[in-house]
Amino acid sequence: GNSVTQMEGPVTLSEEAFLTINCTYTATGYPSLFWYVQYPGEGLQLLLKATKADDKGSNKGFEATYRKETTSFHLEKGSVQVSDSAVYFCALSAPRGGFKTIFGAGTRLFVKA
Amino acid sequence: GAGVSQSPSNKVTEKGKDVELRCDPISGHTALYWYRQSLGQGLEFLIYFQGNSAPDKSGLPSDRFSAERTGGSVSTLTIQRTQQEDSAVYLCASRPNDRNSPLHFGNGTRLTVT
Repeated sequence: GNSVTQMEGPVTLSEEAFLTINCTYTATGYPSLFWYVQYPGEGLQLLLKATKADDKGSNKGFEATYRKETTSFHLEKGSVQVSDSAVYFCALSAPRGGFKTIFGAGTRLFVKA
Repeated sequence: GAGVSQSPSNKVTEKGKDVELRCDPISGHTALYWYRQSLGQGLEFLIYFQGNSAPDKSGLPSDRFSAERTGGSVSTLTIQRTQQEDSAVYLCASRPNDRNSPLHFGNGTRLTVT
C-alpha cells in the first residue's frame, strides 16, 4: 500500500543552520506530495506541495523537489530561524485508495538562538 | 469564513462514557478526514469520506469507533465506552474534489478520558 517515511526527530539546529528533513514514499501511480507544518499550539497547515515529477514546491524559504527516480521529497531550508521550530509532516495523495492522504510520522525541529 | 470547525474544542469524560465529536467542513469540500494525534505523536488516520462513495474505515482502531457524514457535509465521530487510551486530539480535515488540493484542518478536539 501507499506509505510515507520521514526521518525521526527531534532535529536540533542553531539559528542560520541548513535544514534537511528526509522524506521518501511508496505509492502506485503518480502521487501528489505535500509538506505540512504544525507550529506550537497551532493547527496543521500546508507548507508546500508538488504535483508531478521534478516540480519544486517552495514557501517561506523552504523548498522540496519531487524526485520520482528516488521516490523522495526532502524538505530543505538554507538558513533556519527560531520561528521555524515546529513539527513537519510529509504526506502524499495517490490514486490507489481514492486519493486518500497518507502522512509520515512527523519530524520535530528545534532551532536555538 | 469559513475554515473547518470542530466542536467541542475540549472534552473531558469518564471512562466508559460515550462521546460525540463534530466537524463542519468547508462548504463544497467533498473529502473529509478524521485523524487522531496523541501527545508528541504523529497523525493516525481514522476514516475518510469522499463524496457519495463508501467511507474508508480502515483506520478505525476498534468497533467502539464510528463516524457518519450527513448530507455530504457535517460529520460526527462517535466513541463508545471510552477508554483512557482514547485520550488524544481528534483532528478533522476537508478538501475539494481535487487530488492536488491540500487538506484544510480544524483546530481539533482534545479528548481526555479520566
